[in-house]
Amino acid sequence: GAVVSQHPSWVICKSGTSVKIECRSLDFQATTMFWYRQFPKQSLMLMATSNEGSKATYEQGVEKDKFLINHASLTLSTLTVTSAHPEDSSFYICSARGESGNTIYFGEGSWLTVV
Amino acid sequence: QQQVKQSPQSLIVQKGGIPIINCAYENTAFDYFPWYQQFPGKGPALLIAIRPDVSEKKEGRFTISFNKSAKQFSLHIMDSQPGDSATYFCAAIQGNKLVFGAGTILRVKS
Repeated sequence: GAVVSQHPSWVICKSGTSVKIECRSLDFQATTMFWYRQFPKQSLMLMATSNEGSKATYEQGVEKDKFLINHASLTLSTLTVTSAHPEDSSFYICSARGESGNTIYFGEGSWLTVV
Repeated sequence: QQQVKQSPQSLIVQKGGIPIINCAYENTAFDYFPWYQQFPGKGPALLIAIRPDVSEKKEGRFTISFNKSAKQFSLHIMDSQPGDSATYFCAAIQGNKLVFGAGTILRVKS
């Protein structure tokens, strides 16, 4: 199946700094990418949807100035958590959808710990 | 508002048993229904998916049953193994909108 790669797998940053997470579709062109946040033992919460070359669409309650999403190419989307705080510590997962078909593939996720 | 309701929340079966996870939806515009398997600390992996014009789909030990009139679908795992212990999410897709169920934690006892 299609592969979606996330980097880094885990990151620790100091409170107040920014951290960037990359999401790449390795063997297909992803016209749409999604970013999720997941707390322990809970389902995935959609944060935003991004289409290549256009601004991301954020879900209600998600601060777009805090969670910057860039989808500059058909194979790469980035999520930047700006001025991170301990409450931003979470498991962030991206997913990608190709140009054809309904199948959405997920990355392995990125653990963010803000200290 | 939970658009896809999943049950049970957790499930324990003996090895070789057939766990069944159920999901129900309201929005008839959903046109694709995938199931994902997630191990701790990992991203969800696509397991199997079905379209609403199909009543059943089988891939290996995994089977989806789909009841369009009842707006329900379920996942059956045949001959379950301890390695199947994971969290399972049903989902429903409409366009670019993917809605997840709350998840079912499955434990297969050896």
